[in-house]
Amino acid sequence: AQRVTQPEKLLSVFKGAPVELKCNYSYSGSPELFWYVQYSRQRLQLLLRHISRESIKGFTADLNKGETSFHLKKPFAQEEDSAMYYCALSGFGNYGQNFVFGPGTRLSVLP
Amino acid sequence: ETGVTQSPTHLIKTRGQQVTLRCSSQSGHNTVSWYQQALGQGPQFIFQYYREEENGRGNFPPRFSGLQFPNYSSELNVNALELDDSALYLCASSQRLANTGELFFGEGSRLTVL
Repeated sequence: AQRVTQPEKLLSVFKGAPVELKCNYSYSGSPELFWYVQYSRQRLQLLLRHISRESIKGFTADLNKGETSFHLKKPFAQEEDSAMYYCALSGFGNYGQNFVFGPGTRLSVLP
Repeated sequence: ETGVTQSPTHLIKTRGQQVTLRCSSQSGHNTVSWYQQALGQGPQFIFQYYREEENGRGNFPPRFSGLQFPNYSSELNVNALELDDSALYLCASSQRLANTGELFFGEGSRLTVL
């Protein structure tokens, strides 16, 4: 079964501290992995995707196929990073293309 | 550039009724997908439409159905509403040919079933 897990519901860090939001997935194939973010009173939006191998707002994520993980990292957290973060995969199931989102991690960056 | 818009923003129905939610895609997008987000959970994929045909479906029963129109707008229909259908329903559009996988979300329609 295709699945995305995010073990932490809430993660609190102090401003300037490193942050890592964990994501593990199960998928029999080569999925596309994404991180989506929802800031307060804004709609859900793409933060980054693994195929781009880019850094957005200081965040990076490396796909580790051996560990089936796609953890999101930032070396120095900022208060404006406080938001809800969802890890997601795009693949193909029994009924065509599908998207699977994790339950989300709420990141709180404290001053 | 017009973003994804959904209507209505809120609605209340009773068990057994039927509901139709609407979504206008972002300009230039030809693919639309729908998600159910229960309180405290991530979005759950319902289905996706491309060129007016369903080309992907999640683990939802047939009473969840949809349509995509020639202008790429879409509807989500839910029949025989159950209490557990209470949730935020999100629509997302994308440009299939761009193959970036980026979804552009609307603000959602919050459905309460009593």
